[in-house]
Amino acid sequence: SQKIEQNSEALNIQEGKTATLTCNYTNYSPAYLQWYRQDPGRGPVFLLLIRENEKEKRKERLKVTFDTTLKQSLFHITASQPADSATYLCALDMRDYKLSFGAGTTVTVRA
Amino acid sequence: GAVVSQHPSWVICKSGTSVKIECRSLDFQATTMFWYRQFPKQSLMLMATSNEGSKATYEQGVEKDKFLINHASLTLSTLTVTSAHPEDSSFYICSARESGANQPQHFGDGTRLSIL
Repeated sequence: SQKIEQNSEALNIQEGKTATLTCNYTNYSPAYLQWYRQDPGRGPVFLLLIRENEKEKRKERLKVTFDTTLKQSLFHITASQPADSATYLCALDMRDYKLSFGAGTTVTVRA
Repeated sequence: GAVVSQHPSWVICKSGTSVKIECRSLDFQATTMFWYRQFPKQSLMLMATSNEGSKATYEQGVEKDKFLINHASLTLSTLTVTSAHPEDSSFYICSARESGANQPQHFGDGTRLSIL
């Protein structure tokens, strides 16, 4: 079965720096991959979707890359702010539009 | 756009009570909605896929008689936790996706269920 690893449970960075999160997967070839933000006690909020034929996607200060050879996606938050502090989840598409989620990386941005 | 509303946001009730949670897509039609469960500091676990006008499909290990799902319209799915017990206490989250290829899922804000 497929396995998704977000290889940092927690990431602490200084305001203004770039946060880089990693999502690795095995035993599967998704057609696309999604990144979500989740705040405590809230539902996930969709951030970015990247397709298997796309190498990179950007949205404001966010950037996602997708390497289907390495089976890896990187998620970057540039010029980080304390308001970016949250848990970030990667999710792979499965059959029938289902998503399989990683455990998440909790980012804390220090002022 | 793409707003999903979930209600109620939290429920506290006695053991043996049945609890209904509603999930609505406010500005789009969703032929498919999903129900997840999340334990503290863990990721979302898919419980079932809710299909408008047909029976829900449940993931392995999820009791369909315990978690009743109804998707009566293109904008509403409900999850009923029947005869709830303390071990059913959890954070339940729904999502809906717009039709078309490669569309993201949009999530409700979750329901915190506490069974005493």
